[in-house]
Amino acid sequence: EAQVTQNPRYLITVTGKKLTVTCSQNMNHEYMSWYRQDPGLGLRQIYYSMNVEVTDKGDVPEGYKVSRKEKRNFPLILESPSPNQTSLYFCASSLMLAGLYEQYFGPGTRLTVT
Amino acid sequence: RKEVEQDPGPFNVPEGATVAFNCTYSNSASQSFFWYRQDCRKEPKLLMSVYSSGNEDGRFTAQLNRASQYISLLIRDSKLSDSATYLCVVNRGGTASKLTFGTGTRLQVTL
Repeated sequence: EAQVTQNPRYLITVTGKKLTVTCSQNMNHEYMSWYRQDPGLGLRQIYYSMNVEVTDKGDVPEGYKVSRKEKRNFPLILESPSPNQTSLYFCASSLMLAGLYEQYFGPGTRLTVT
Repeated sequence: RKEVEQDPGPFNVPEGATVAFNCTYSNSASQSFFWYRQDCRKEPKLLMSVYSSGNEDGRFTAQLNRASQYISLLIRDSKLSDSATYLCVVNRGGTASKLTFGTGTRLQVTL
């Protein structure tokens, strides 16, 4: 089954404790992206990657890191989480086709930083 | 001004009704347009792309008006299962990297 998986689905942590949210896709997509979703603000892009070893900042990259060492995986790293990073996070992937870019989203990770 | 603006709703409509949502975008260079559906606390899923000539998929019709910079979604014969939040999504540039999501319009279909 074609899918994007994220782990963990729920995480409660404390300020400053490094964490990683994993994202994996089995569709051989070149493009992967991380978003955060907050009430009233919609989905905002954190980082994206157009292929292995190619990453770039989205609209809200501060406080986050990513890596793309393999095509299927795109982990999101919070080196020192803060309460303002409490949010619902989605990973997404798509083909790099000109024109239509359907994004396939993972199920989401609900992060709470206390 | 937000890059993509939507009326948050909620739109409460009875089953069988026709309902329409609009979405305005600010960047005239935007090239691709989509409607995504998001159920409560779930991931967004593509509902339909929006083509320049307008397009239809069953009970759903999408329209693009480049001159006025808005897209619309029309749902005919609403079903209870259509209750969700509908996200307007605009591709600002020529690659998949520059997608901007609206905050969504919530639809509640009732008996």
